[in-house]
Amino acid sequence: QVQLQESGPGLVKPSETLSLTCTVSGGSISTYYWTWIRQPPGKGLEWIGHIYYSGSTNYNPSLKSRVTISLDTSTNQFSLKLSSVTAADTAVYYCARDHGAWYFGLWGRGTLVTVSS
Amino acid sequence: DIVMTQSPATLSVSPGERATLSCRASQSVSSSLAWYQQKPGQAPRLLINGASTRATGIPARFSGSGSGTEFTLTISSLQSEDFAVYYCQQHYTWPFTFGQGTKLEIK
Repeated sequence: QVQLQESGPGLVKPSETLSLTCTVSGGSISTYYWTWIRQPPGKGLEWIGHIYYSGSTNYNPSLKSRVTISLDTSTNQFSLKLSSVTAADTAVYYCARDHGAWYFGLWGRGTLVTVSS
Repeated sequence: DIVMTQSPATLSVSPGERATLSCRASQSVSSSLAWYQQKPGQAPRLLINGASTRATGIPARFSGSGSGTEFTLTISSLQSEDFAVYYCQQHYTWPFTFGQGTKLEIK
């Protein structure tokens, strides 16, 4: 069955750019919407944004100026870049799949990213 | 943004009893409301979408109801594996927003 796996550095310095990749296995990325969601330690969930397989994107306005989501059909991966990070960006970052009805039926296991010098 | 408010923050219930969790939206989301269950160290798991449609593989003891701004998740007879944190999420318009969660704990 389709699985998602996040990867990337677990520690990022303040003011630098957080970069994560989600690898889709067991299925094609060339359909559906592909989403990033984050969860600060001990807190709730925040939708970051999504990308359609065609490449169109939507971002949370609260993060829009700092976020870029991209997709590579040749590697079956999609990626998140978040610039100018601060300690407030410390969170578990999840990638997820959305069939276009805007809820999330498939999630990766998540990866903790800590912003610290 | 649509603000989702869940109540109570913590709910203590005995195994075998019924649990009722509430979620309120700051404006109407029609029936576009999802519920998730999250256990420690795990990703959220989709339980309900469209306010009342159980996701694939979700037991019938989980049911959702409501529309507009008021929604309820009911777990009819709590099993040990049901003690977790539950989140609601509006899937009506982006940015898609979540409630702050209800922790369901063993009484």
